[in-house]
Amino acid sequence: NAGVMQNPRHLVRRRGQEARLRCSPMKGHSHVYWYRQLPEEGLKFMVYLQKENIIDESGMPKERFSAEFPKEGPSILRIQQVVRGDSAAYFCASSPGGGLDTEAFFGQGTRLTVV
Amino acid sequence: SQKIEQNSEALNIQEGKTATLTCNYTNYSPAYLQWYRQDPGRGPVFLLLIRENEKEKRKERLKVTFDTTLKQSLFHITASQPADSATYLCALDTGDDKIIFGKGTRLHILP
Repeated sequence: NAGVMQNPRHLVRRRGQEARLRCSPMKGHSHVYWYRQLPEEGLKFMVYLQKENIIDESGMPKERFSAEFPKEGPSILRIQQVVRGDSAAYFCASSPGGGLDTEAFFGQGTRLTVV
Repeated sequence: SQKIEQNSEALNIQEGKTATLTCNYTNYSPAYLQWYRQDPGRGPVFLLLIRENEKEKRKERLKVTFDTTLKQSLFHITASQPADSATYLCALDTGDDKIIFGKGTRLHILP
C-alpha cells in the first residue's frame, strides 16, 4: 500500500506561469488536506477536500489559488500567475474519513521555486 | 487570537539525555494533539496522538503528556541518540476536522 504520493517533487516556474501540484491519497482514503510551508515557518493549512467537494478552504488565498479532488484521479492544487512569494513546500495529507484523529499520513511534498 | 507555540526554535541535548519539547496553545479546546517529526526536505511523519482525556502516552523511547488545564503538551525523548536530530512539530485539532501546526523545534542531539 503506497503512501501519499505527491508529484512533482520539485517544480520551477517563471513568474506569471501556472503551477499544478498533484496529490494521490493513500488507497481507500477519500479526504485530502493541503498545507504550505514557507522557509523557516510552520505548516499552514490551506484547504480540505473530499471527493468532488471542497469542505474547508479558509486557508487558501482568495486569488490565483484553487484546488480540486475529482471523482477519479489525484487532488490538484493549482496556482495561476505565480509570484516569488509562492515559493514554498506544499504538502498534502490524506485520511479515510473526516478528521485527522487517527494516524495521519503526509506526502513528501512539492517544492515550488518561482524564478 | 488562537496561537500554538513551541518552546524554542532550536534545542541542543547531549546524547543519552532526555530531550523535552514544549507545546503551548491559547484559545483552543482541542480534542486531541499530535506530534510529528520532520527531516530536512521531507514530509512530516506522524509520531503520537494524545486525546484530551489522556494524561500520558508512550511509544518506545517517546512520551507525550497533555495538560488541558495548563493548555500544554510535553514531548520527551529518553536516551536520546544523534539519529533523533530533526524538527519536531506539534499539531492540534481545531474542532472542524483539520489540524494546525506550531512552527516546530529543531532538536540537535550532540554525540
